[in-house]
Amino acid sequence: IVMTQTPLSLSVTPGEPASISCQSSESLLDSADGKTYLDWYLQKPGQSPQLLIYTLSSRASGVPDRFSGSGSGTNFTLKISRVEADDVGIYYCMQRIESFTFGPGTKVDLK
Amino acid sequence: QIQLVQSGAEVKKPGSSVKVSCKSSGGSFLSNTINWIRQAPGQGLEWMGGIVPIFDRPTSAQKFLDRLTITADPSTNTVYMELGSLISEDTAVYFCSRTHTASGALHVWGQGTLVTVSS
Repeated sequence: IVMTQTPLSLSVTPGEPASISCQSSESLLDSADGKTYLDWYLQKPGQSPQLLIYTLSSRASGVPDRFSGSGSGTNFTLKISRVEADDVGIYYCMQRIESFTFGPGTKVDLK
Repeated sequence: QIQLVQSGAEVKKPGSSVKVSCKSSGGSFLSNTINWIRQAPGQGLEWMGGIVPIFDRPTSAQKFLDRLTITADPSTNTVYMELGSLISEDTAVYFCSRTHTASGALHVWGQGTLVTVSS
């Protein structure tokens, strides 16, 4: 399964919203359990990736509610309602319905 | 609190092998998958393979099938990743990551191990 992301780079004014799109080459909906196996990760500069959103729209522990995940089938979106300085880094979507595949990443920085 | 601590940086010659360790503390070691993901310099993330220690049956991405070995040592809560026949393109940071029991997501990550392949 091939994952694509747009845009690949994003400059955002602090306090403004941001949105990242992710598309998969096949549906990530598991018809057996009704779950969509799409996660979002953030890799801050010099750090390991960290889980933000799992199974399409569930926030990981400690993740602020400024972050939300949505979508269906093959099209997905990560939204940040108000970008803060600590949100800078590279955002990756990842499918895990069939093995694991990451998107190319979207680099987010501040204007 | 679950933690994954990896072994230190390595420099290897082309054609040789490297073995990286990932020690788990907290939570259940045996029943959660430990995955290996690598990141070449300035590049994205690539899943390599994983193992559930209690089953001791590793899985690998197709491209690594013939030179990747993943093993687990329950006595020390440590998983090992060995990559053979190294080439310069294997220069990367190698991360281990643990799958969350309920969600299946990669919820805990090691600090990463830089492997440099150079003659």
